Amino acid sequence: DAGITQSPRHKVTETGTPVTLRCHQTENHRYMYWYRQDPGHGLRLIHYSYGVKDTDKGEVSDGYSVSRSKTEDFLLTLESATSSQTSVYFCAISESEQVSSYEQYFGPGTRLTVT
Amino acid sequence: SQQGEEDPQALSIQEGENATMNCSYKTSINNLQWYRQNSGRGLVHLILIRSNEREKHSGRLRVTLDTSKKSSSLLITASRAADTASYFCATRQGGSEKLVFGKGTKLTVNP
Repeated sequence: DAGITQSPRHKVTETGTPVTLRCHQTENHRYMYWYRQDPGHGLRLIHYSYGVKDTDKGEVSDGYSVSRSKTEDFLLTLESATSSQTSVYFCAISESEQVSSYEQYFGPGTRLTVT
Repeated sequence: SQQGEEDPQALSIQEGENATMNCSYKTSINNLQWYRQNSGRGLVHLILIRSNEREKHSGRLRVTLDTSKKSSSLLITASRAADTASYFCATRQGGSEKLVFGKGTKLTVNP
């Protein structure tokens, strides 16, 4: 998985609790992304980062926040988890057009269940 | 909103046959990429085709791009059981550093 790890790999949490998912890369890639994957919806972008402390919203950002204090780590936080946030979450990394035209490399995923 | 839409949603073939999957998109693109996802795993990049290219090959994979029709196809020749997976197209628009993924085609190759 191209030097990308996600933790935890599985988590069950209760509605209303905060949850933080971690993505760690060893590739020193500039860009990092968080997606969620749900049946019938494919992959949808939540937030992404284009550098340390530089982040932007994606298609489905409501209810999620992110932080990137180091090149290698990108955190996704659900401030108050809801059942609609039950999903599989993927982190991905990429480099710029000059290097690889934004081909993305994915982590193994985190399966989150909100009860 | 989804940029790419794959067709068919599901495809079942016998080992040795060719598999063709199609992707349609809505707006002009910089490049189009295909990814594979095995069950329970992350996506893996397969091949990228730029907007000024019409065809590209990589091993048993052949990708075509028709920008006038805003469509692409992925052909897997001489399929194997190990090709069983979901396949996604993803488009990059203009100078964006983001990709927009379709919903995928689920391919089953029967031994």
